Amino acid sequence: RKEVEQDPGPFNVPEGATVAFNCTYSNSASQSFFWYRQDCRKEPKLLMSVYSSGNEDGRFTAQLNRASQYISLLIRDSKLSDSATYLCAVNLKAAGNKLTFGGGTRVLVKP
Amino acid sequence: ETGVTQTPRHLVMGMTNKKSLKCEQHLGHNAMYWYKQSAKKPLELMFVYSLEERVENNSVPSRFSPECPNSSHLFLHLHTLQPEDSALYLCASSQGVGSGYLNTEAFFGQGTRLTVV
Repeated sequence: RKEVEQDPGPFNVPEGATVAFNCTYSNSASQSFFWYRQDCRKEPKLLMSVYSSGNEDGRFTAQLNRASQYISLLIRDSKLSDSATYLCAVNLKAAGNKLTFGGGTRVLVKP
Repeated sequence: ETGVTQTPRHLVMGMTNKKSLKCEQHLGHNAMYWYKQSAKKPLELMFVYSLEERVENNSVPSRFSPECPNSSHLFLHLHTLQPEDSALYLCASSQGVGSGYLNTEAFFGQGTRLTVV
């Protein structure tokens, strides 16, 4: 089983709609979780950290489910500019704070 | 903009060449990473340096040789590469060492797009 897994998509989303997708991780001792956004041929950029209680940043909501070992990202009122690949990253402190990335979920927002 | 600068941005090299990729971070972080991203593949962690010591080497072929002279600089020396090594090479840094650092998010440079011919 991969350490961090994501549905590669693509998720085709009408503009203005809501889209949500998950990321599962295999190591129950994982401590920190992040969502990154990567545009085509660009570097990943941190979108948001994921806190135990869940957190929101504008139209983006991230949640953590430790019992089922997954994190989620929800995008409300999707914009065309939200089209990108969304990478989740998991940090296992015992492994020297190594960030392990999922393969990414591609989101395409269409007019 | 990101505080992590990579040079060159693009590199074309022959299989017999020797070249080096450079990464510099201005964020005061103490951990640096090399990742490889091939077309339609996930990010692959290659090397991790923590406090200038290599703490991870993910079975990377010896034709890739990292060097971390100080906490702000990271190099990836390349020699006798193969065409399948063509990829985007990304450097990242984080505040990855020390107790209390739970939110150790990584910040990436813009990458070097390498083509081996």
